[in-house]
Amino acid sequence: GQNIDQPTEMTATEGAIVQINCTYQTSGFNGLFWYQQHAGEAPTFLSYNVLDGLEEKGRFSSFLSRSKGYSYLLLKELQMKDSASYLCAPDQTGANNLFFGTGTRLTVIP
Amino acid sequence: DSGVTQTPKHLITATGQRVTLRCSPRSGDLSVYWYQQSLDQGLQFLIQYYNGEERAKGNILERFSAQQFPDLHSELNLSSLELGDSALYFCASSVDWTGRQGEQYFGPGTRLTVT
Repeated sequence: GQNIDQPTEMTATEGAIVQINCTYQTSGFNGLFWYQQHAGEAPTFLSYNVLDGLEEKGRFSSFLSRSKGYSYLLLKELQMKDSASYLCAPDQTGANNLFFGTGTRLTVIP
Repeated sequence: DSGVTQTPKHLITATGQRVTLRCSPRSGDLSVYWYQQSLDQGLQFLIQYYNGEERAKGNILERFSAQQFPDLHSELNLSSLELGDSALYFCASSVDWTGRQGEQYFGPGTRLTVT
């Protein structure tokens, strides 16, 4: 089985940096996905980490520590359009589907 | 645009009725997944098909069923609808399994309202 823990809600100011944490427990682990979902819209892929460390992709970076069962998504230079839910999903070995947590709802304020 | 299409976009129906939601995966993708998302809830995995065969089942009610056709499009059938079935239903596709084979691409969803 899987267990995912993310903060339910976060608020940050436009132009700032925010870190969204995710801890997970899974039996067998391939990597970890992050998805962004605006309210009422489809989730969209942000990143997939397999190796430990930080991967940067423009304003968004994602970090993984396999030994600690921990990941975070770092959003820099926040924009109003970044207000959305951010879903972390561990990719479990042998599983045929992703298990998404309830996600973190980020609100960016002026 | 993810390349995954879903129809209809919106559906309003009454309790006790039956509806069919349709999904066409991205060209070349063999796996189709169905998810349910109720208001302010997370994505709940319902069922996965790969190349026409059921591969994984999640929290899918017995009143719900799905299938994937030879042309790889999929349909989700919801019957004896209840008010609690009102939700966004997403379809996603991927080349093969999740993980190293690539991420899932989500369709725009079908918003089902049961009155």
